[in-house]
Amino acid sequence: QLQLQESGPGLVKPSETLSLTCAVSGGSITKNNYFWGWIRQPPGRGLEWIANIHYSGSAYYSPSLKSRVTISVDMSKNQFSLTLTSVTAADTAVYYCAREGGDSWSFYGWGRGTLVTVSS
Amino acid sequence: QSALTQPASVSGSPGQSITISCTGTSDDIGYYNYVSWYQQQPGKAPKLMIYDVTKRPSGISNRFSGSKSGNTAALAISGLQAEDEADYYCSSYTTDSTLVFGGGTKLTVL
Repeated sequence: QLQLQESGPGLVKPSETLSLTCAVSGGSITKNNYFWGWIRQPPGRGLEWIANIHYSGSAYYSPSLKSRVTISVDMSKNQFSLTLTSVTAADTAVYYCAREGGDSWSFYGWGRGTLVTVSS
Repeated sequence: QSALTQPASVSGSPGQSITISCTGTSDDIGYYNYVSWYQQQPGKAPKLMIYDVTKRPSGISNRFSGSKSGNTAALAISGLQAEDEADYYCSSYTTDSTLVFGGGTKLTVL
């Protein structure tokens, strides 16, 4: 049973860069042709897809965030990461990492989520 | 890339059936059969309930079912139970090779 765990700073200053990591346990990140994704949820609001990546490096990004976002995979550490530059208060959210099935853009497994607050 | 449209809230009594709609466009729901539904309890991560419009992951009750007609998908819950009270989100793959979520629907079990 694959498990995902987000980690990163809970507080980031405006204009700085937000960096999060998702550690995958219980199986290899290269398993079964899965894609791995990041989704966020501002407090009291709905879900927003950010990006997906395959261990081969193939990646897809939300058009609204593409200019500020990078998603990457580290197979040696069995983890994948998210970088979001030039953050503002609007980027304050719970950030979830998740596993996509590889063929249907559905997220079968999710991490618990980590709250990132953008504030000076 | 606009969010899919869901009703803000729906409600029903225990034992009743409810339906939550999710309206998109011919570039997402209307083009692909890649519609998913998620249930989110307060303070918890979302949980996949339906994928590929009509399929249920292992362990999901058959009280949950999905359908699609044109640019609109729907999640039906039969035999409503108190534990079904949660927020529900739809999502769809798009012709831009991206994913879009609905705004979410709060289900209240009266």
